[in-house]
Amino acid sequence: GDSVTQMEGPVTLSEEAFLTINCTYTATGYPSLFWYVQYPGEGLQLLLKATKADDKGSNKGFEATYRKETTSFHLEKGSVQVSDSAVYFCAIMNTGFQKLVFGTGTRLLVSP
Amino acid sequence: EAQVTQNPRYLITVTGKKLTVTCSQNMNHEYMSWYRQDPGLGLRQIYYSMNVEVTDKGDVPEGYKVSRKEKRNFPLILESPSPNQTSLYFCASSQIIAGSYEQYFGPGTRLTVT
Repeated sequence: GDSVTQMEGPVTLSEEAFLTINCTYTATGYPSLFWYVQYPGEGLQLLLKATKADDKGSNKGFEATYRKETTSFHLEKGSVQVSDSAVYFCAIMNTGFQKLVFGTGTRLLVSP
Repeated sequence: EAQVTQNPRYLITVTGKKLTVTCSQNMNHEYMSWYRQDPGLGLRQIYYSMNVEVTDKGDVPEGYKVSRKEKRNFPLILESPSPNQTSLYFCASSQIIAGSYEQYFGPGTRLTVT
């Protein structure tokens, strides 16, 4: 079945550092790709998405590019802030289905 | 405001005592689903519903029931909760945006079964 692999956390960075969180997937067909963010004590919010190869999703300074050849969707941000501290989930949704398949999540901790 | 609401947000109960977690959305979405979140496992789908009176099992349906009598509501029922159902539960509804489905999540219900 479909699956998503994310890098283990926590990822600990200083403010203004560069962030990369790796995500790779296995899927039949041509899935849509998503990053969700979960702030402490809150539900999941859609951060960005991409629906076809080479699409770049972006939001709040975060970016991720749909790489079909490497089945990857790595999340990047050029300069993190303390307020970015959260758990980030990579997820895929296959064509014709409405079920999200999630990675295990990566906790990001940003210190001042 | 477009939203998915869940109640209660926190619940502590004992083994075997039936409980219901309610979920409601005000966006007129046809598709709704329930997930549970456990450390090291991410989120896993429990049940989903494509429309009123249409429900189906997700990846981890054992020990749960759902119903979809109205479009806006999708309650999760634990008829005889057990400690292994201690988890964080999320309800979600979805719509098509720009050719792909986007799911909107509720704030979560933290359930502890002792």
